[in-house]
Amino acid sequence: QKEVEQNSGPLSVPEGAIASLNCTYSDRGSQSFFWYRQYSGKSPELIMSIYSNGDKEDGRFTAQLNKASQYVSLLIRDSQPSDSATYLCAVKGGGADGLTFGKGTHLIIQP
Amino acid sequence: KAGVTQTPRYLIKTRGQQVTLSCSPISGHRSVSWYQQTPGQGLQFLFEYFSETQRNKGNFPGRFSGRQFSNSRSEMNVSTLELGDSALYLCASRQGASGELFFGEGSRLTVL
Repeated sequence: QKEVEQNSGPLSVPEGAIASLNCTYSDRGSQSFFWYRQYSGKSPELIMSIYSNGDKEDGRFTAQLNKASQYVSLLIRDSQPSDSATYLCAVKGGGADGLTFGKGTHLIIQP
Repeated sequence: KAGVTQTPRYLIKTRGQQVTLSCSPISGHRSVSWYQQTPGQGLQFLFEYFSETQRNKGNFPGRFSGRQFSNSRSEMNVSTLELGDSALYLCASRQGASGELFFGEGSRLTVL
């Protein structure tokens, strides 16, 4: 059974600070890793994908992957109130495998 | 390009009834996945269809079934509804084996 674990939160971060979201996964064969953002009452939307060890930056977002530790993280710099949402970590195996999602971390950015 | 379209958006059923939900993927996407989302369990994978064939299946009872048509549109059916089936049912499409899913707005099912 593939598992993806996230701290459910809520994680409260002051505006302008760095928000750090973490995720661990159980399947060592996982090859692709994703962060989805879900606003309350809305459907998830993809914000970051990462496929190899290290950091990947996109604007204010940085995804970090450590396959040896089976650990994925998402950093949000200069956090804004509009970043308040639930962040879902998702993991995919090889080939046509589907995605396994964590239960999400509820992030609150305090003005 | 139109996004993923799900119908109906909201529905209320009673225990024992059955329900059919519909999903139209993004044009050109041949893969359609279905997820159940509840506050307690999060996003749980139901099944995925590709070119009218079920490619992956989650750990749900046989009351949950789906199919895909030649135009890539998909339906899922839940028979003999239980109170615990109340949830948001999300459909997502993707290109090929990519992990980048595009979700519809969901169908919110309430079972009374």
